[in-house]
Amino acid sequence: GAGVSQTPSNKVTEKGKYVELRCDPISGHTALYWYRQSLGQGPEFLIYFQGTGAADDSGLPNDRFFAVRPEGSVSTLKIQRTERGDSAVYLCASSPTRSEGSSGNTIYFGEGSWLTVV
Amino acid sequence: AQTVTQSQPEMSVQEAETVTLSCTYDTSESNYYLFWYKQPPSRQMILVIRQEAYKQQNATENRFSVNFQKAAKSFSLKISDSQLGDTAMYFCAFMKRGSQGNLIFGKGTKLSVKP
Repeated sequence: GAGVSQTPSNKVTEKGKYVELRCDPISGHTALYWYRQSLGQGPEFLIYFQGTGAADDSGLPNDRFFAVRPEGSVSTLKIQRTERGDSAVYLCASSPTRSEGSSGNTIYFGEGSWLTVV
Repeated sequence: AQTVTQSQPEMSVQEAETVTLSCTYDTSESNYYLFWYKQPPSRQMILVIRQEAYKQQNATENRFSVNFQKAAKSFSLKISDSQLGDTAMYFCAFMKRGSQGNLIFGKGTKLSVKP
């Protein structure tokens, strides 16, 4: 697609429920990233995929969070037993290859999924 | 661990004037990249400008330029001829070379451009 697409745009769920957030990266981008942005904060890195594999999941806060990218394109972030502290905007981003900050590997962000846990 | 500090929670500027947003960072790394991102109400993070730490020359992109002071670990953003469309949150970010897109962001500065 033309840009990084994320669904749903907004999601309200009850504490304890399971949630899935979807990310469709820019076509042809092999690197995909998930970030979490809490209110009044900058985004925090969660996980990075290169192709189908999670190359760096050091930012996932605990084992309730899990992400997959089975065919190397669309990715799903899964949150089990949601807690009120999980409320945040979840941003997905992609780049042509793993980003080294060079001009050819700009990271492109989507508009995020705003999750509210009540 | 690396940290990024933006000491100005909010700034305002008159249309057509110049404004400077501050950013400092702390790291023991020698090879890294610095970025400024803009986040309008749509929530999408948009890259404004990047700087490679090994380059002494300050990066510029049209009306946007940076003042990179490596020894002082300072990376400020100057916006010239401010436009109403520049109104947004601005985030400074650090990335260690080889960290595979693991950006470390500051808390952001809310910039309002007034007509």
